[in-house]
Amino acid sequence: EVQVLESGGGLVQPGGSLRLSCAASGFTFSSYAMSWVRQAPGKGLEWVSAISGSGGTVHYADSVKGRLTVSRDNSKNTLYLQMNSLRAEDTAVYYCAKCSSSCQTGSFDIWGQGTMVTVSS
Amino acid sequence: DIQLTQSPSFLSASVGDRVTITCRASQGISSYLAWYQQKPGKAPKLLIYAASTLQSGVPSRFSGSGSGTEFTLTISSLQPEDFATYYCQQLNSYPFTFGPGTKVDIK
Repeated sequence: EVQVLESGGGLVQPGGSLRLSCAASGFTFSSYAMSWVRQAPGKGLEWVSAISGSGGTVHYADSVKGRLTVSRDNSKNTLYLQMNSLRAEDTAVYYCAKCSSSCQTGSFDIWGQGTMVTVSS
Repeated sequence: DIQLTQSPSFLSASVGDRVTITCRASQGISSYLAWYQQKPGKAPKLLIYAASTLQSGVPSRFSGSGSGTEFTLTISSLQPEDFATYYCQQLNSYPFTFGPGTKVDIK
């Protein structure tokens, strides 16, 4: 079964750091681009970041550029999101999503269950 | 950045109704639009990609159409399990954007 599973969420103080992980299984991980999408409580979906299958190309939303860093370890079938200088407005459920091939011109065909990040003192 | 608007933002409908949701893009995005369904406390689920292609396993009562700047998602006969929030997403260019969502509720 094709699936992705996020972990690493929790409560962190403003200005703090957190690293999210997304473990993939059931598909050839290195062949697919991946994305992170977040959803603040009671709000809509916001795309955060994307990374190519090789990890050589990354993209970010302006709202997170310079603070969040996406990476992947294809030997471990795992996607990461390093979150630094966190702000209250980063509070959200973070979803990992598999892109259908590349993300651009494709779609997000498999989603994880999400991991909650709360930024509060 | 490409902005997406959805209408209506909320609709109340009955089982068996035909439902249409519209998504408009601030500039042309060819056919690079996807539709997702999200139920409370759950992850989004892909319904339609490339504006009109039904994702494998999705019931045929869902259909999508459009290109350029105007797109529609149609549910031909609303079922109890279809009450959810629906989002469109453009994948034509970065940064990808989602529409604000349309909540479909029971009348």
